[in-house]
Amino acid sequence: DQQVKQNSPSLSVQEGRISILNCDYTNSMFDYFLWYKKYPAEGPTFLISISSIKDKNEDGRFTVFLNKSAKHLSLHIVPSQPGDSAVYFCAARLQGAQKLVFGQGTRLTINP
Amino acid sequence: EAGVAQSPRYKIIEKRQSVAFWCNPISGHATLYWYQQILGQGPKLLIQFQNNGVVDDSQLPKDRFSAERLKGVDSTLKIQPAKLEDSAVYLCASSAPGGSYEQYFGPGTRLTVT
Repeated sequence: DQQVKQNSPSLSVQEGRISILNCDYTNSMFDYFLWYKKYPAEGPTFLISISSIKDKNEDGRFTVFLNKSAKHLSLHIVPSQPGDSAVYFCAARLQGAQKLVFGQGTRLTINP
Repeated sequence: EAGVAQSPRYKIIEKRQSVAFWCNPISGHATLYWYQQILGQGPKLLIQFQNNGVVDDSQLPKDRFSAERLKGVDSTLKIQPAKLEDSAVYLCASSAPGGSYEQYFGPGTRLTVT
């Protein structure tokens, strides 16, 4: 069963515009949500996270929004830059554990 | 601070052969994870160690996969015998003590089984 889903395999955005990546989850026992960014031939790197008790967390150009009632989170990148082109993974942590459950990833391409 | 190290970076083997991957986590990180990432999918946890002990190996195919973490530092993941469906990137990650949710990943080993 896929507890964390990223339904868009790819997204193409023009440089300078906003990129919005979406993620849905099914398990109410997730207490932390994270976004990881992955370049080719490298491991995923941590980008930003949000606790389940919050609805927004911001770090520079990156903002994550959490809608618990809809079991949905999104990552906003403003403004988008060419270096943002990568695969983005949404991940969720089960309450009381360190285990992360990952979505399938969304490939973001920023066009000049 | 040195990151998570993995070797080899690439490996090609024939089915039914065996293969081993090595991981050296970030110094001081008590928790070590092995993930399997099949093309087009997200990383899937295979096994999680806390120091020397196994915390979670519920998704490890134990008939062919094995892992160990001697002395609570380096870890080795082995596949014997390999199947075609084992072709994937094997990622090692570590996290700091105290229940940190942030995991630091190595570059991965890309395994191709022919």
